[in-house]
Amino acid sequence: ETGVTQSPTHLIKTRGQQVTLRCSSQSGHNTVSWYQQALGQGPQFIFQYYREEENGRGNFPPRFSGLQFPNYSSELNVNALELDDSALYLCASSLDRGYNSPLHFGNGTRLTVT
Amino acid sequence: DQQVKQNSPSLSVQEGRISILNCDYTNSMFDYFLWYKKYPAEGPTFLISISSIKDKNEDGRFTVFLNKSAKHLSLHIVPSQPGDSAVYFCAASAQGSSGDKLTFGTGTRLAVRP
Repeated sequence: ETGVTQSPTHLIKTRGQQVTLRCSSQSGHNTVSWYQQALGQGPQFIFQYYREEENGRGNFPPRFSGLQFPNYSSELNVNALELDDSALYLCASSLDRGYNSPLHFGNGTRLTVT
Repeated sequence: DQQVKQNSPSLSVQEGRISILNCDYTNSMFDYFLWYKKYPAEGPTFLISISSIKDKNEDGRFTVFLNKSAKHLSLHIVPSQPGDSAVYFCAASAQGSSGDKLTFGTGTRLAVRP
């Protein structure tokens, strides 16, 4: 069973640039969620995708956008990067939608914005 | 507004003794609670969960207790082992919440001394 994989593991970008982060969900999982974890904080919910449709969004501006593909892999796109976007970005997949369906996290992408 | 709070940033325990990690929440709509463990350079790993219809859930060395009236839950690890040294996050969700999102606390770093 393949777990959740994220790429790249580390990334350095300049303020104002755009970035795309990628995630392959665990085999058999059709739901993908993205979280941002700033230093010293817990993960914060960005959005969730279920069968290629956005299924909920946290308090993040529209410059954070995403996609889910037919194979249930996903992308997180961030436009007009700001210094405060520097964080660990975590992707998590689950077997189905459902608030009581445990999330399986990848190891994250560490984004640094200079 | 921190809806899930872990007021102890760190905890140190002797191997073989009990570790007790605490979590408080403010949102009365939360009805499902989870604990995740996170090692450095890895994503969070699901540990144990509890529904609000229960007050205790046990899985091997790990037990979670829920006190709904106090809006408090705790994770007990007995006996503690050096491999348990990690950051522990408490998380909560509410049925019908946007994207089945999890709201995380800021984490407690557990160190188990040999």
